[in-house]
Amino acid sequence: QSALTQPASVSGSPGQSITISCTGTSSDVGGYNYVSWYQQHPGKAPKLMIYDVSNRPSGVSNRFSGSKSGNTASLTISGLQAEDEADYYCSSYTSSSTPWVFGTGTKVTVL
Amino acid sequence: EVQLVESGGGLVQPGGSLRLSCAASGFTFSSYWMSWVRQAPGKGLEWVANIKQDGSEKYYVDSVKGRFTISRDNAKNSLYLQMNSLRAEDTAVYYCARSSGWSQGYWGQGTLVTVSS
Repeated sequence: QSALTQPASVSGSPGQSITISCTGTSSDVGGYNYVSWYQQHPGKAPKLMIYDVSNRPSGVSNRFSGSKSGNTASLTISGLQAEDEADYYCSSYTSSSTPWVFGTGTKVTVL
Repeated sequence: EVQLVESGGGLVQPGGSLRLSCAASGFTFSSYWMSWVRQAPGKGLEWVANIKQDGSEKYYVDSVKGRFTISRDNAKNSLYLQMNSLRAEDTAVYYCARSSGWSQGYWGQGTLVTVSS
C-alpha cells in the first residue's frame, strides 16, 4: 500500500486561503468517506483537524474545512494565520492488507 | 482530559527486542480501538497497528507483520507493542493513539526507538 500523494509544500500570506490536496485511489480515498487530516507542529504530536472527509472535532477552528472529489481529498485553510504554519497529513481507510494509510505530508508556510 | 503516555523506547541493536507501553487515562479505555503510529526522523507518519476494544481483532502494516505484536490490558488501561527482530528502518518516534470512529482523535507525545549497533 503506497502512501497517499500530497504536495510537499504550500504557502500563503496571512488572511489568504490555501488548499492541500491528497490523492489516492478507488481502494482508499475514492472508496470510503473515511478521510482525516492531521496538523503537526515541529516536535509535537499530530492533532486531528478533520474526520470523515469534512467534519471538524470540537475545538478546531472553522477556518479548516475538508472535501472530497473522486480519488482526491482536500483540506482548505481560510484566513491563514501564523499559527497554521505546520505539517499536515491526510489519512484514509483502505481495502488493502494494510487498513490505514497516511499521506506524504505537506509543509504549510505562512509568508 | 484524555491522556496517553508512551514509555519503553530506547536504543536497541539490530535483531533485538523492545516493548512499548501506553498508559491511558481520562476516558473509558475498554470502549475504544487503539493504534500505534510511527514517524521516522524527518519523515512522515506511518500507521503501524491497531487493536479492537476487546483485543479480538488486530491489524498490522505489512512491514511489521510477524515481528510486532499489539496487545492491551483493559484492567490496567494500557496498550502495548512488542517489537522483535528490530531493523534500522524501525527507528522512529512511536505514538499511541486513540481511535475516534474512523480517525485517530487523541495522540500521546511519543517515545523514540533507535535501532543501531
